[in-house]
Amino acid sequence: AQSVTQLGSHVSVSEGALVLLRCNYSSSVPPYLFWYVQYPNQGLQLLLKYTSAATLVKGINGFEAEFKKSETSFHLTKPSAHMSDAAEYFCAVSDRMNTGFQKLVFGTGTRLLVSP
Amino acid sequence: NAGVTQTPKFRVLKTGQSMTLLCAQDMNHEYMYWYRQDPGMGLRLIHYSVGEGTTAKGEVPDGYNVSRLKKQNFLLGLESAAPSQTSVYFCASSYSYGNTIYFGEGSWLTVV
Repeated sequence: AQSVTQLGSHVSVSEGALVLLRCNYSSSVPPYLFWYVQYPNQGLQLLLKYTSAATLVKGINGFEAEFKKSETSFHLTKPSAHMSDAAEYFCAVSDRMNTGFQKLVFGTGTRLLVSP
Repeated sequence: NAGVTQTPKFRVLKTGQSMTLLCAQDMNHEYMYWYRQDPGMGLRLIHYSVGEGTTAKGEVPDGYNVSRLKKQNFLLGLESAAPSQTSVYFCASSYSYGNTIYFGEGSWLTVV
């Protein structure tokens, strides 16, 4: 079964600084990988997903993530943080069960704090 | 364009009471899911459905039941609520494997 590890439950950056949120997955087989963002009291919104096409994936709001098979990583980055980026970010990996069903396995989340 | 809609958004239950959370999607998706979100634990899959009339257990199914009588609706039931079921519940749907999963806005449930 797949698992996801997000390093750091909280990450603090200054406005304008680089954002780096780390995600490592467990499988050696290239899976489908996702980053979701959750704003306070809201549902999850897809930021980007990797589906075995380009290893550098661009998402919404200036975020991008790079799939590195050798490191089993899918870290999320943004060159310059905005105050509006403050939210919780979840990395997820798809896990195909024997029935063919796609289950999403989520990391425990990283809360991004942006200071002026 | 409603997407995935959950009702109710907030509910307080007493231990032992029952309730049903309703999820509706208007995207003609085959797959639907119920997750719960707890602090420090991310989201965990409760039950899922791969089509009308089908349901299956996820990671944490105990204490919950589901039904998918219509393709667009996925109901989550708590027969006898317990304080351990205090959580935020998210419904989601997708077209098929590998496709984007769309989430509802969540239902906050407190069991006292």
